[in-house]
Amino acid sequence: AIRMTQSPSSLSASTGDRVTITCRASQGISSYLAWYQQKPGKAPKLLIYAASTLQSGVPSRFSGSGSGTDFTLTISCLQSEDFATYYCQQYYSYPPLFTFGPGTKVDIK
Amino acid sequence: EVQLVESGGGLVQPGGSLRLSCAASGFTFSSYWMSWVRQAPGKGLEWVANIKQDGSEKYYVDSVKGRFTISRDNAKNSLYLQMNSLRAEDTAVYYCARSSGGFDYWGQGTLVTVSS
Repeated sequence: AIRMTQSPSSLSASTGDRVTITCRASQGISSYLAWYQQKPGKAPKLLIYAASTLQSGVPSRFSGSGSGTDFTLTISCLQSEDFATYYCQQYYSYPPLFTFGPGTKVDIK
Repeated sequence: EVQLVESGGGLVQPGGSLRLSCAASGFTFSSYWMSWVRQAPGKGLEWVANIKQDGSEKYYVDSVKGRFTISRDNAKNSLYLQMNSLRAEDTAVYYCARSSGGFDYWGQGTLVTVSS
């Protein structure tokens, strides 16, 4: 199975900061990577798919990049509503045995 | 508007069974792979199972193979997860999710608690 790792596991940031989260796959997954945001008590929300395509309705301050094994999620100017946990997920494998990264919690400095 | 509404969660003893349901609306249910994803209390997300549009292919995470069965009824726009031989470590919120370049729509989740 493809394993996903994320770094850091948590970070503290201030409103207006630029934040970057890294996700790494244990083997190449081309661009079959998604990013999610989850707030406490809520279902995850898809932010980015195909490594860099913004889901409809997601603010443009979110961006994704990478391919193969290394990926990044960047929030260009952190807003108060962005404090949450972020997960990456691969959907490359066939059979489709999808896996998530362990998550990165972004909280207020 | 796409909606996914889970039901069927609750408290069950170890070794017991539970059947989760997910009612879908607002899209052509039979055109999409569907999945179950769970989240143990205070933990991360774990994909559990998925099923092809016509139900001909089903896949599971290793930890539930042989115990859980995913199924669907396209006539009723419904997804199911039959969970048998439940263990304490199956305690989690279970979400159904639509697969489309990642999971683009999620239900609100249903809590399954396995405890004596």
